Amino acid sequence: GAGVSQSPRYKVAKRGQDVALRCDPISGHVSLFWYQQALGQGPEFLTYFQNEAQLDKSGLPSDRFFAERPEGSVSTLKIQRTQQEDSAVYLCASSLTGASGKGEQFFGPGTRLTVL
Amino acid sequence: GNSVTQMEGPVTLSEEAFLTINCTYTATGYPSLFWYVQYPGEGLQLLLKATKADDKGSNKGFEATYRKETTSFHLEKGSVQVSDSAVYFCALSDRGYSTLTFGKGTMLLVSP
Repeated sequence: GAGVSQSPRYKVAKRGQDVALRCDPISGHVSLFWYQQALGQGPEFLTYFQNEAQLDKSGLPSDRFFAERPEGSVSTLKIQRTQQEDSAVYLCASSLTGASGKGEQFFGPGTRLTVL
Repeated sequence: GNSVTQMEGPVTLSEEAFLTINCTYTATGYPSLFWYVQYPGEGLQLLLKATKADDKGSNKGFEATYRKETTSFHLEKGSVQVSDSAVYFCALSDRGYSTLTFGKGTMLLVSP
């Protein structure tokens, strides 16, 4: 079956541009997570959705970062006025279970964002 | 706050050698512990997990034991193969909705 997909796989943006990164989770998965992985580092949590509700956005580094999941399936991570420090791989993961569950997270291949 | 510390890489081994990758953690409460693997050009995959103290997770010849007294979850394999070359991430989760806190990753290179 289809896994988590992300698009685009690679994105190059000029500093100051806005970007939108898409995540298609596994069908039926309740939970969706976004992580940021800088070069040579482990992934760091950005935000969490349970269905369409954004329950935790404590990891978003600034108000330039915005995420949505309006229908409880596809999610978009938007970065406004990109800066060089935003260059990273952005990972999306989905999980079958919701709050209080500890279901396995399935990761997408990531979107590599390079800000020039 | 939560944190995971794992040994720095790269770890370079010959085929059939014994592997240990150390991982220690700091967390409030009783976290679940995970090892994820990232093969070249691929996404993160769950390798194994343990949800309570003294549990042993195992998969594909890899194993790790949840040691609460030493706050550790070291990854071991008795005989590595070239195909095991990848980056390995230790992680924990102690929130109800399973947000993961990762270590920095350890690259393993296995030569024939």
